[in-house]
Amino acid sequence: DVKVTQSSRYLVKRTGEKVFLECVQDMDHENMFWYRQDPGLGLRLIYFSYDVKMKEKGDIPEGYSVSREKKERFSLILESASTNQTSMYLCASSFPNRDRGPKQYFGPGTRLTVT
Amino acid sequence: AQKITQTQPGMFVQEKEAVTLDCTYDTSDQSYGLFWYKQPSSGEMIFLIYQGSYDEQNATEGRYSLNFQKARKSANLVISASQLGDSAMYFCAMPLLNDYKLSFGAGTTVTVRA
Repeated sequence: DVKVTQSSRYLVKRTGEKVFLECVQDMDHENMFWYRQDPGLGLRLIYFSYDVKMKEKGDIPEGYSVSREKKERFSLILESASTNQTSMYLCASSFPNRDRGPKQYFGPGTRLTVT
Repeated sequence: AQKITQTQPGMFVQEKEAVTLDCTYDTSDQSYGLFWYKQPSSGEMIFLIYQGSYDEQNATEGRYSLNFQKARKSANLVISASQLGDSAMYFCAMPLLNDYKLSFGAGTTVTVRA
């Protein structure tokens, strides 16, 4: 089974801190994604990576950056955390399968609170 | 751009009954597909079912079935014989054109009553 893990389930940080969220997948997937989830808004894509060192902005990249130095690891960075970044963060990975659609496998999520 | 709409923020269903979750979409693609994911309170998104627009028969996976009505641009999820463990949030999602990214609906919370 595909396994996507995230470094923390719960995280509390102070305003202005630099925050790192780590995601690791073990299925050699090229594609990795970071989403944030807020009530009533569903999942919104922050950043997407389709290969090592390659990244693409999603719908809401402002205030975030990403790093992908190795294929299995995709990091989300909040350079200076703000209270409006309090949210649930979900990492996902996928391997393109045109027969069955680009199914994404998700990690358990990180609930980040910025105070 | 694709747009996914889930109009039911929350639903209650009695244990052992069936429940239908609505999902409508708007796309100009000729070939597309639709996913349903389940998110229990633990937070992890669990893949339930997928169907492509080119599939002639509605997809089924155990107690889950996808009622795809292309003329109405809807792809509803039917959960039969509801169980207490089905209480969760459910999301439908559509791949973007020629892309690996998914566009998600806002989700529907299902609560199963004993």
